[in-house]
Amino acid sequence: QVQLQESGPGLVKPLGTVSLTCAVSGFSISSGFYWGWIRKPPGKGLEWIGSSSHSGGAYYSPSFQRRVAIVLDTPWDRFSLTLTSATAADTATYFCARHRSGSKHFDLWGQGILVAVSS
Amino acid sequence: QTVVTQEPSLSVSPGETITLTCGLSSGSVSANCFPSWYQQSPGQPPRTLISTTNSRSSGVPDRFSGSILGNKAALTITGVQADDESDYYCLLYLGRGSWVFGGGTKLTVL
Repeated sequence: QVQLQESGPGLVKPLGTVSLTCAVSGFSISSGFYWGWIRKPPGKGLEWIGSSSHSGGAYYSPSFQRRVAIVLDTPWDRFSLTLTSATAADTATYFCARHRSGSKHFDLWGQGILVAVSS
Repeated sequence: QTVVTQEPSLSVSPGETITLTCGLSSGSVSANCFPSWYQQSPGQPPRTLISTTNSRSSGVPDRFSGSILGNKAALTITGVQADDESDYYCLLYLGRGSWVFGGGTKLTVL
C-alpha cells in the first residue's frame, strides 16, 4: 500500500522559509511518476504549487516560480518543498501527492500539514 | 493568467441529479486539458474522483461521472446522497507543464 506523509515545522516566521518533506512508503519515487505539492489556505481553494520527477525535471506554478523548489531524495524515497520569503498569505495546509505524468492527475495524497506564517 | 471557473455553490435534494462545471476564463475545455475532479471534506485530504475527463478512480461509485459539456468539463452526480455534501475541485492541464485548480464548488445536500 502506497502512503505519503508530510512533515516539517508548523510555524514559520515572516520572511522565513517553509521547508516540508514528504515521505513515500510502498513505492519508489524514481519509478517514473511526478511528485507534487498542493496547498489550501484557510477559507480558500486548492492551489497547485509544483511537481517534480526523477527523470523529467520540475514544473512550478507561475504564482510560486521565483521562490519555490521541489527536490527529490530518491535513495530515501522522499521529496521536499522549499518556499522562501514567506508571508501570512502562505499560511495553509500543504499536501504532497503523486502526480501521474500520462493522465496528468493526482492519484494519491498525503494527509496534509498545517503551516502558519506568523511572528 | 488563465482562471479556471467553477460554480461557487450549488444545492440539491437527495436523490436528484446535479452537474458541476469547470471552464476557462479564456478558451474552451477539451480532453487535451486532461480534466480531473476531486472531492474534499473539512479536515480531510482531497479524494480523487475522476481523471482524464471520465475515468473513475478505484472505489468511486458509478453515481459520479465526468464529461465534456459544450466548452466545459462537467462532473455529474446521479442520485445524490447526503454524504456527497462536500467541496469539489476540478484540475486542468494548460500545457507547458502548467496545472490550475478551479476555485471549487461547495455542494449542499438539502
